[in-house]
Amino acid sequence: DTAVSQTPKYLVTQMGNDKSIKCEQNLGHDTMYWYKQDSKKFLKIMFSYNNKELIINETVPNRFSPKSPDKAHLNLHINSLELGDSAVYFCASSHGWDRYNSPLHFGNGTRLTVT
Amino acid sequence: DAKTTQPPSMDCAEGRAANLPCNHSTISGNEYVYWYRQIHSQGPQYIIHGLKNNETNEMASLIITEDRKSSTLILPHATLRDTAVYYCIVRTQKLVFGQGTRLTINP
Repeated sequence: DTAVSQTPKYLVTQMGNDKSIKCEQNLGHDTMYWYKQDSKKFLKIMFSYNNKELIINETVPNRFSPKSPDKAHLNLHINSLELGDSAVYFCASSHGWDRYNSPLHFGNGTRLTVT
Repeated sequence: DAKTTQPPSMDCAEGRAANLPCNHSTISGNEYVYWYRQIHSQGPQYIIHGLKNNETNEMASLIITEDRKSSTLILPHATLRDTAVYYCIVRTQKLVFGQGTRLTINP
């Protein structure tokens, strides 16, 4: 009954490869997010989708392409992986991107290691 | 572009109340104060949030000053499992994390 679930939990791959991370939420939320936490532990928002529509794109390289097939899913596809992409990626969801009274609920993260 | 200021680290004895301060002097009228924590490298865990009134739930209490320029998160009886990085965040369309306070609960 995990609220926000991400797969895989760990991902090790080589530079230049293409990989995807999947996220699903069963909270009935209509807004989903991707955050990145680098080695210095800074958590930064990357994208936000509301009802399958992109609403926040924090100047992330074009190699990162989020896709939301429905409100409950937000996947992250990364092309041509680089060493600097190594990080922990967190998915989150909430009710309404503009509802400041709505907490975000986070998944447990996907640790991506690019070698 | 975090709008909050927190001490980088704090210590608290197990069983005592942990009081974590946060300054948010530029908060706007419709912005909520949120607290999250991150234990080791797990996902950020929601703790509590408030607008202007004090709030309490099963995890913690949130005290917001009358002018809303600062707040305090209170963990009433800290345990070793409360050791984590605690983030105070002013919620806008984006939840922007700052550096947080590393709280260590000592036995």
